[in-house]
Amino acid sequence: QVQLQESGPGLVKPSGTLSLTCAVSGGSISSSNWWSWIRQPPGKGLEWIGEIYHSGSTNYNPSLKSRVTISVDKSKNQFSLKLSSVTAADTAVYYCARRYCSGGSCYYYMDVWGKGTTVTVSS
Amino acid sequence: QSVLTQPPSVSGAPGQRVTISCTGSSSNIGAGYDVHWYQQLPGTAPKLLIYGNSNRPSGVPDRFSGSKSGTSASLAITGLQAEDEADYYCQSYDSSLSFYVFGTGTKVTVL
Repeated sequence: QVQLQESGPGLVKPSGTLSLTCAVSGGSISSSNWWSWIRQPPGKGLEWIGEIYHSGSTNYNPSLKSRVTISVDKSKNQFSLKLSSVTAADTAVYYCARRYCSGGSCYYYMDVWGKGTTVTVSS
Repeated sequence: QSVLTQPPSVSGAPGQRVTISCTGSSSNIGAGYDVHWYQQLPGTAPKLLIYGNSNRPSGVPDRFSGSKSGTSASLAITGLQAEDEADYYCQSYDSSLSFYVFGTGTKVTVL
């Protein structure tokens, strides 16, 4: 059973770069799935940030694309998120998740989620 | 940035049936993209509840059911239980935006 665990600093200064890692256990990041980042500001809804395939192919939310980089480290079975030039509006719980693929087809839903990590942007 | 609209809240007594609507447009639900539903219990991560409009992952009670028609979808909870108190989100893909979109979220309260 695949499990995901987010980690990273809980506090980032304005204009700095938010860096998070998602460790994949119980399965290989090189399996045929996409790996996503999703965030949820306090008291608000969910926002998809972007995703990566083990080959390194990425898709990003256009509204965040200029500030986001998602990368994969197959040797460590993990993937990472970097969000630059952060402001208070980037304060949120950040989740990593798996977008399910099977039998050569990839579907548009996230079937496995991490527990989330809270990131606060403040000086 | 939510392009899928849900009612902010719904409520019902234990044992009752409640439904949550999810209204989209011709670039997402109406374009034929599937709708998926997530349940978020207080203080926890979202959990996949319904995928592909009406399919339940293993372990999800059959009290939960989903449907889709035109540019909208619905989640129904029958035999409402106290443990169903949570936030529920619909999700689809939008071809105009080229990414995955979530609904505005609905809080279900068991009276």
